[in-house]
Amino acid sequence: DSGVTQTPKHLITATGQRVTLRCSPRSGDLSVYWYQQSLDQGLQFLIQYYNGEERAKGNILERFSAQQFPDLHSELNLSSLELGDSALYFCASRTGLEDTEAFFGQGTRLTVV
Amino acid sequence: SQQGEEDPQALSIQEGENATMNCSYKTSINNLQWYRQNSGRGLVHLILIRSNEREKHSGRLRVTLDTSKKSSSLLITASRAADTASYFCATVAISSGSARQLTFGSGTQLTVLP
Repeated sequence: DSGVTQTPKHLITATGQRVTLRCSPRSGDLSVYWYQQSLDQGLQFLIQYYNGEERAKGNILERFSAQQFPDLHSELNLSSLELGDSALYFCASRTGLEDTEAFFGQGTRLTVV
Repeated sequence: SQQGEEDPQALSIQEGENATMNCSYKTSINNLQWYRQNSGRGLVHLILIRSNEREKHSGRLRVTLDTSKKSSSLLITASRAADTASYFCATVAISSGSARQLTFGSGTQLTVLP
């Protein structure tokens, strides 16, 4: 158990809909990273938050947004969903901004139908 | 875009044999990490090697890093069926600034046959 919790584990929704994925980092970790894993694109970095502030953006679509709350949990919002958004979405956390290992949650499998 | 490419994409070996996976990356890095992913599950950190290190060991794992060639290898010795998983290299680019996000390679799918 990595200590990172993601909910829900599975999500099936229709095209055009909006969903929210939730991540609770390890206790005490200030950095949260979101990744998307799909068969054709591999593991893609989406966005990072540190202590409530956005730190870096990767290949995140404008239809997607995220935030980190004062209790350090994070939410990834995906809107106007398309079939191609079907993927595994992972959250990872680190203590801070140092170059150490990241701890990953079990992911949310999103299926857009 | 992905920083690293891994080779081979898939590897199938018998239990007890050694498995070697290679990773190449593109930019200057602070460190390189290897992760393991069981099918459809979260990634688990295996080992981290810093840019000033050339080799590191952890149990049955041996990692090498050649910064001049921008490449790394992961050796799993005396493999077991339970080692069956996907293995990813991940780098932290110096250019990532304070974010230090990991950029992952494409992964090697290792199958260890009993």
